[in-house]
Amino acid sequence: DTEVTQTPKHLVMGMTNKKSLKCEQHMGHRAMYWYKQKAKKPPELMFVYSYEKLSINESVPSRFSPECPNSSLLNLHLHALQPEDSALYLCASSPRADTQYFGPGTRLTVL
Amino acid sequence: QKEVEQNSGPLSVPEGAIASLNCTYSDRVSQSFFWYRQYSGKSPELIMSIYSNGDKEDGRFTAQLNKASQYVSLLIRDSQPSDSATYLCAVNENEKLTFGTGTRLTIIP
Repeated sequence: DTEVTQTPKHLVMGMTNKKSLKCEQHMGHRAMYWYKQKAKKPPELMFVYSYEKLSINESVPSRFSPECPNSSLLNLHLHALQPEDSALYLCASSPRADTQYFGPGTRLTVL
Repeated sequence: QKEVEQNSGPLSVPEGAIASLNCTYSDRVSQSFFWYRQYSGKSPELIMSIYSNGDKEDGRFTAQLNKASQYVSLLIRDSQPSDSATYLCAVNENEKLTFGTGTRLTIIP
């Protein structure tokens, strides 16, 4: 079983809203990731939680903040986003921080 | 800067033929290599991983790795219309994947 779940599937938000994306896996994987993917581009890594340690892509703006409440759950908190943040947000998990399995993604639109 | 390069395509292949997708990478210390398939509007799906030089076969898919040439490829035999998708090559180092830009493959019935 390599299922990673993400909610919601779609999200439309205004630039002043605060929202959160949720990612969950019950495979005992020790690493979880957030990616952003724009149309016709490859996924771009935003954050990594690996063995309870957070790594940040320094190019990611502070209006995105990750939270890892436990080893199965990874949230991405969104605040004061811009229209250019509209994208497909992908969560992935990995049993050994190498092979990554992606969730279905959240399609985010910022108005 | 670590780079993973793929021909963006589109690559058109007749149904039943072999599709050949190529990828080169710049970082010699990379140890893990992956092929993902991504349908339009969907998330990437892992189809092959390879860690050692040589060929690895799984059904209609064969991954080939040549670390000396820094080259990894994916062959799809007996191509089907359902194989039409974008194929992403990814290279792992230090727990992070670097993706190529992807090759768009179209199988022509």
